[in-house]
Amino acid sequence: AQSVTQLGSHVSVSEGALVLLRCNYSSSVPPYLFWYVQYPNQGLQLLLKYTTGATLVKGINGFEAEFKKSETSFHLTKPSAHMSDAAEYFCAVYFTGGTSYGKLTFGQGTILTVHP
Amino acid sequence: AAGVIQSPRHLIKEKRETATLKCYPIPRHDTVYWYQQGPGQDPQFLISFYEKMQSDKGSIPDRFSAQQFSDYHSELNMSSLELGDSALYFCASQTRGNSPLHFGNGTRLTVT
Repeated sequence: AQSVTQLGSHVSVSEGALVLLRCNYSSSVPPYLFWYVQYPNQGLQLLLKYTTGATLVKGINGFEAEFKKSETSFHLTKPSAHMSDAAEYFCAVYFTGGTSYGKLTFGQGTILTVHP
Repeated sequence: AAGVIQSPRHLIKEKRETATLKCYPIPRHDTVYWYQQGPGQDPQFLISFYEKMQSDKGSIPDRFSAQQFSDYHSELNMSSLELGDSALYFCASQTRGNSPLHFGNGTRLTVT
């Protein structure tokens, strides 16, 4: 079955520390991968995406993610957390084949808390 | 740059009432999606339209209907509202293919 899983519903880091938000997917066909961020009472904002080409993609606000096909992962990282990064982050997968073809499927979300 | 516009931002209705949510996609986007996000939940796909035709259907109740008009805006009509319909409803648009979805800020529906 095709699915997307975010490991850890809550992640807490200190300001200036590394941010690592994990996302794994299950699919026999390479999907397109996205990370979205949702600030309180706001819509979903695209951080970055991977479709083809370079597997390390850079997004807005200093975030980046690496597509690792062998690990079926697309983890989101940022070298140094800022207070303004506190939000909920969703990994999303657009399956290019199979029963979930054509729909953007979201992970369960990870709430990032940044401590001073 | 123009974004996806949703109206209203907030809506309060009573049980068994009806509600209409509107979505105006980014210009030249031909595909519109509707998502429902319950409290503390991830967004769930409801329905999508491509070139004014329904292209896919997700977990949308029979009490809900939607359509896309000639100007590509879309409306989600919700009838016989239930308390469980209280959620944030997002509209997203894209140019069909692998382009990312662009989301509106959502309509927060509260059913009392």
